[in-house]
Amino acid sequence: AQSVAQPEDQVNVAEGNPLTVKCTYSVSGNPYLFWYVQYPNRGLQFLLKYITGDNLVKGSYGFEAEFNKSQTSFHLKKPSALVSDSALYFCAVRPLYNFNKFYFGSGTKLNVKP
Amino acid sequence: ETGVTQTPRHLVMGMTNKKSLKCEQHLGHNAMYWYKQSAKKPLELMFVYSLEERVENNSVPSRFSPECPNSSHLFLHLHTLQPEDSALYLCASSPTGGKGTDTQYFGPGTRLTVL
Repeated sequence: AQSVAQPEDQVNVAEGNPLTVKCTYSVSGNPYLFWYVQYPNRGLQFLLKYITGDNLVKGSYGFEAEFNKSQTSFHLKKPSALVSDSALYFCAVRPLYNFNKFYFGSGTKLNVKP
Repeated sequence: ETGVTQTPRHLVMGMTNKKSLKCEQHLGHNAMYWYKQSAKKPLELMFVYSLEERVENNSVPSRFSPECPNSSHLFLHLHTLQPEDSALYLCASSPTGGKGTDTQYFGPGTRLTVL
């Protein structure tokens, strides 16, 4: 079965510290990979995506993500967290064999403390 | 704002009611999507429309009935729902349905409570 795993329901970091939000996937082939963020009472907003090329992808608000093919992972990172980064983060995968499929993780709540 | 609006933002309905959720996108996109978001569960893709044609239906119960009259509007008609259908329903759009690299743009969602 195709699936996306975000193993941590919640990640707590102090402001100014680096953060990592983990994502692994089990989807056939070399899928396209996405990260979205959701603030309270809002829809999901696109952060970044990996299509091909350099394994390190840079996105909005200083976020980046590293694609690791052998580990089928796509972890989200930021060198220095801000309190305003506190939100719910979703990893998503789109398989090459069917672009009408989108598989999302269950989300990771990021709490950045001042 | 992302250019995707949803109404109503909140809806409470009984199990015997019939209601509809509305989504409108102002981005000139050709593909639209319905998702169900339940707490601590993965987002569930329910329906996909590309150029007003339904191209994906992910085993959704028939009590949910989508309608896409044109590429800017998407409806989700609800009838005889169950309490477990209570969730946040998100609408999204993307430039095309057939291009895997497309980014989806999401609306704020409709919070549905079924009593």
